[in-house]
Amino acid sequence: DTAVSQTPKYLVTQMGNDKSIKCEQNLGHDTMYWYKQDSKKFLKIMFSYNNKELIINETVPNRFSPKSPDKAHLNLHINSLELGDSAVYFCASSQAGARTYEQYFGPGTRLTVT
Amino acid sequence: SQQGEEDPQALSIQEGENATMNCSYKTSINNLQWYRQNSGRGLVHLILIRSNEREKHSGRLRVTLDTSKKSSSLLITASRAADTASYFCGGSGYSTLTFGKGTMLLVSP
Repeated sequence: DTAVSQTPKYLVTQMGNDKSIKCEQNLGHDTMYWYKQDSKKFLKIMFSYNNKELIINETVPNRFSPKSPDKAHLNLHINSLELGDSAVYFCASSQAGARTYEQYFGPGTRLTVT
Repeated sequence: SQQGEEDPQALSIQEGENATMNCSYKTSINNLQWYRQNSGRGLVHLILIRSNEREKHSGRLRVTLDTSKKSSSLLITASRAADTASYFCGGSGYSTLTFGKGTMLLVSP
């Protein structure tokens, strides 16, 4: 059973397009996250949701919009894609905030913008 | 700003040797967590050490935390080829983790 799943695994698209990445967790966790890992392997938090409410929104362009329809899902929609958006995007979840609990990561979505 | 910064950036050892990776962080933390990332995969949690703990063990892993120096170390004993991966430390603030760039460990048979 996959704990945190993401679709698609690979996404290749052209500049200016709008795309979405979906994330689902079956762990019953309250908190979900989106991270971006760039080509230099630097892993940066983008968003954090707790019980469907946004609690962390790092300095991310407003072209990125997370949506959480329920506690088990956190989707990432990206408008007007740019070359610099090319990266691997990871979804993660934890029992509560990262203050106390470890995070469980999805397999990642490799986004390539051409 | 980066909360976790790993050192060295890359480490190459032989099977059976020990591997030590260091992590420094900038601000106060509630806990520090170490994760492993195999090539093309997501991060897998290894161990969490709380700010009031100094040392923690899990199997072949030993983690230390020095809050006065804002640093942590991860020791993998008797390394195996399967330990080849990138290792990240993350400092936990109020509600989220902030990671560094990781240490890439290569264990040769």
